[in-house]
Amino acid sequence: DAGVIQSPRHEVTEMGQEVTLRCKPISGHNSLFWYRQTMMRGLELLIYFNNNVPIDDSGMPEDRFSAKMPNASFSTLKIQPSEPRDSAVYFCASRTGEHSEQYFGPGTRLTVT
Amino acid sequence: AQTVTQSQPEMSVQEAETVTLSCTYDTSESDYYLFWYKQPPSRQMILVIRQEAYKQQNATENRFSVNFQKAAKSFSLKISDSQLGDAAMYFCAYKTGTASKLTFGTGTRLQVTL
Repeated sequence: DAGVIQSPRHEVTEMGQEVTLRCKPISGHNSLFWYRQTMMRGLELLIYFNNNVPIDDSGMPEDRFSAKMPNASFSTLKIQPSEPRDSAVYFCASRTGEHSEQYFGPGTRLTVT
Repeated sequence: AQTVTQSQPEMSVQEAETVTLSCTYDTSESDYYLFWYKQPPSRQMILVIRQEAYKQQNATENRFSVNFQKAAKSFSLKISDSQLGDAAMYFCAYKTGTASKLTFGTGTRLQVTL
């Protein structure tokens, strides 16, 4: 299995630009999670989906952030407009069921200048 | 609210020696799961070991084992015969049985020296 795939691995953009992060979960996994990791706040859950449906988006910082999961094999996290404080590593993770562990992708390092 | 505390920001161990990383958590739930994740410089989050709260037996995965003290709400990770490749950030994480959200500690950076 290829594991969770994220793209791009690195993204550098200017403030005000739109950023789209992509994730392909492990085949057969029905839950998908987006996390953000910063030095100040550690690992934070932004949003998660069960069977392509957003279940809890209480961690999404503000309206500039949006996430979609149009099908079982693809999800996006979009930031529009981006700000320097959005600079972080964004992880996608997936799992099979509520009692199983989460498998993480390699992360996307986002730098907003 | 559930919290996870890792009180050791950094630890160091000599190659081939044993090191224990501490983790405590706070919860009122009876059904929950605990995890240790490793994050090497590549930043990939790798699951090291998991423990179900209802199991009394401590989980073991090769050189990695846990000391799960449910009453004390403690979940420490022991790494035996430490190797250079064990150098990484280690995160303790918690989830309730029915919830999906993982709550992470702040991490412990482990350095392995020759």
